[in-house]
Amino acid sequence: QSVLTQPPSVSGAPGQSVTISCTGGSSNIGAGYGVHWYQHLPGTAPKLLVYADTRRPSGVPDRFSGSKSATSASLAISGLQAEDEADYYCQSYDNSLSGPYFGTGTKVTVL
Amino acid sequence: QIQLVQSGAEVKKPGASVKVSCKASGYKFATSRINWVRQAPGQGLEWMGWISIADGDTNYAPKIHDRVTMTTRTSTSTAYMELKSLTSDDTAVYYCVREFSNSEGNWFDTWGQGTRVTVSS
Repeated sequence: QSVLTQPPSVSGAPGQSVTISCTGGSSNIGAGYGVHWYQHLPGTAPKLLVYADTRRPSGVPDRFSGSKSATSASLAISGLQAEDEADYYCQSYDNSLSGPYFGTGTKVTVL
Repeated sequence: QIQLVQSGAEVKKPGASVKVSCKASGYKFATSRINWVRQAPGQGLEWMGWISIADGDTNYAPKIHDRVTMTTRTSTSTAYMELKSLTSDDTAVYYCVREFSNSEGNWFDTWGQGTRVTVSS
């Protein structure tokens, strides 16, 4: 079951910016738990993109940025590139389910 | 570098069990939890549960808690996930994932390459 809701898809032309929302509730994001984002390319393992709401692991371009407010979070991708075409998932802890849960996932298409 | 290497693809019949292994290297195995995440065809990522390497404590997702068992063998830095009473709904790619933890929270920083499990008669 998913307690975090994302739009099924977003798209943009190369060079443009897109934003992916992640809507939760009072038992996860709203309770203060960190939000993390993963990029999943077909046929590969998911990759950590943003952790603790806004932090980027080394090697992740600064075109990717995370933010959080109240019961939702967002991942912004600026300067969209063809290689950014992938599925993106948010993830946070939920204290009513006592575990880490993923968002429903968003497919990013570069037009 | 930190690495998780999983066992190979499996094909099972409905009602059977499957056991997937995950060998860790590049860090102190006992310092992190190992989580298991799966992705069924056309579906999103689904968290299955975690095991604490240090004390063997487990936490399973409610949906599968009665069919899954997660274990470890610290002498070989290997984690295992066994899923019983398989149905076609268990056809998926299964990932083991290292959970990193510090004062800022917990997140999944290293993923195995995935193990495809197919359940078919």
